[in-house]
Amino acid sequence: EPEVTQTPSHQVTQMGQEVILRCVPISNHLYFYWYRQILGQKVEFLVSFYNNEISEKSEIFDDQFSVERPDGSNFTLKIRSTKLEDSAMYFCASRRSTGDSYNYGYTFGSGTRLTVV
Amino acid sequence: AQKVTQAQTEISVVEKEDVTLDCVYETRDTTYYLFWYKQPPSGELVFLIRRNSFDEQNEISGRYSWNFQKSTSSFNFTITASQVVDSAVYFCALSPRGYSTLTFGKGTMLLVSP
Repeated sequence: EPEVTQTPSHQVTQMGQEVILRCVPISNHLYFYWYRQILGQKVEFLVSFYNNEISEKSEIFDDQFSVERPDGSNFTLKIRSTKLEDSAMYFCASRRSTGDSYNYGYTFGSGTRLTVV
Repeated sequence: AQKVTQAQTEISVVEKEDVTLDCVYETRDTTYYLFWYKQPPSGELVFLIRRNSFDEQNEISGRYSWNFQKSTSSFNFTITASQVVDSAVYFCALSPRGYSTLTFGKGTMLLVSP
């Protein structure tokens, strides 16, 4: 079964450093997402991406965050200057869209645990 | 605005007991989708079920069953004859039709002891 692949599985970074989280969505999917889960809390939407641009973003997704699809396969989340409160599990997700199936085929990756020290 | 409430923070049961996880949602949309995800200790999100608002028929999949009641805005999840491997955090989520983002509840941690 196709998977969404995220690397690395765990990243430790120093406060103020830039970090890039990488995701390889399922190949025929068109919509890409990042979600965040602070330890012990609920999963929160960050951003959605379609047709090489951001289609929706939450209040969490401020100027410190950016997303990019640098080639045909990767989808990245960059945090420019990490803060302690950015420590969380970051999930990438992708889906395809056919007709009215907005919520079909929504697949999450296994997550990247980011620890900011 | 969407909201999902999972009032049960943590539930502990002994193996083979039945357990029901509650989910109550709020939305102004007339058409929407409801989801349940499982998050085992390893951390990934495992999709369990998607249900659209037009379909109130209850669903059973093995030991899992779901009870969708639009009148009470609830989408409860029952595990029959629980097993230790069911121990995980379970999230209920909501997405209105036409929007693809998911709004999650805070999750219910289920601990099944032998």
